[in-house]
Order: sequence, then C-alpha cells, then structure tokens
Amino acid sequence: EPEVTQTPSHQVTQMGQEVILRCVPISNHLYFYWYRQILGQKVEFLVSFYNNEISEKSEIFDDQFSVERPDGSNFTLKIRSTKLEDSAMYFCASSDMTGGNEKLFFGSGTQLSVL
Amino acid sequence: RKEVEQDPGPFNVPEGATVAFNCTYSNSASQSFFWYRQDCRKEPKLLMSVYSSGNEDGRFTAQLNRASQYISLLIRDSKLSDSATYLCVVNPYYTGGFKTIFGAGTRLFVKA
Repeated sequence: EPEVTQTPSHQVTQMGQEVILRCVPISNHLYFYWYRQILGQKVEFLVSFYNNEISEKSEIFDDQFSVERPDGSNFTLKIRSTKLEDSAMYFCASSDMTGGNEKLFFGSGTQLSVL
Repeated sequence: RKEVEQDPGPFNVPEGATVAFNCTYSNSASQSFFWYRQDCRKEPKLLMSVYSSGNEDGRFTAQLNRASQYISLLIRDSKLSDSATYLCVVNPYYTGGFKTIFGAGTRLFVKA
C-alpha cells in the first residue's frame, strides 16, 4: 500500500538553528500538508500546498516557516530559526482529492526537539 | 466558538459496549467531514468519511446533521483494540483553499 514517508523520525536541534523536515508524499497525490502536534495537544494545521504554491496557511506558519517541493517528489518544511516552542511532532500528509473528497494520508511524523 | 469541538472524554467502557462520540463545527459552509483515529504518539489514520445520508463500516456508524452542524460516531461491540483518540475532522472550503481542521479528539479506553 502506498504511504507517506517522513525523515528523519527524530530531530534534535539547538535553539536558533535551522531545520529541514522531509516528506515524500504518495506519488499520485497533488495536495500536500504539514501539521504539528505539541505533546498532549491537538493536531494543528500549518500549511497546505498545491500546484507548487501555498494554498492556505495558519497563524502558526509565520516568516520562520517555509515549504518547498524541490524535485517533484520531496516536500519539505523549513524552520529558519527554531524556538523552544517549536518542539512538537510534525506530520506531513497528502491527498488526491478524488471526487472532491479530501482524505488525508499521514506520514509517521518527525519528532522535533529544540533545546 | 472553536472551529471543531469535541468532548475530550475520556470514555471508559467495557468490551462489548456501544459508545457514541459527538462533534460540532462552526462553519456552515464546511464540505467534507471525517473521523480519524490516533493511537498514542502515532499519526492520525482515516477511520471513515461522513456523509449526509449516514454511513456504516462494520461496527462503526457515522452521521452528519448539517442543520445542527453536528457529526457523530457510534462504535458497537467495542474491542480492546478500539482504545485510541478519535478525531473529528472538517474541511472548511469557505477559505477557497485546502485547510483540513482537526478537533482536539475524544479519548476512548476499552477495558476487558
């Protein structure tokens, strides 16, 4: 069964450092998303991406965040200068919008720890 | 009002019980509705879509009431493996973009 893959599974970084989280969506999907989940809290929408541009973004997705699809398969989330409060599980998801029905398929996540 | 609101629980039920979860959403223009399941420290996984006519998948039944902006999930004959957090998910197309919103989830514990 096709799946969304995320790397790395764990990332530890120092405050102020840049991190790049990587995702390979399901190959025939065209819609891509990043979500985050702080421990014990809800899954929060960060950004959606379609046709090589951002479709929607939340208030969390400020100038420190950026997304890119550099080569037609990878979908990356970059955090330029990490803060302690960026520590969370980051989930990538993709969908194909077949029939307009937006079922999301998630990767297993990257646990980001900012020290 | 939160975009998607759920009772956090936890619901503690014995095996074999029937349990129901509710969810309300704030935007009447919302188009797509889903229930996802999330196990501890894992990614959310799609449980089922929710249609206006109601739909059933084995022991699971989902209902949508657009007039009341209300979604429900019924689990019959609960199994130990049903223990998880159940996430109500809504796609509010009002923004013109793609922004799927998750509720905070309802925790279910099924006991032997």
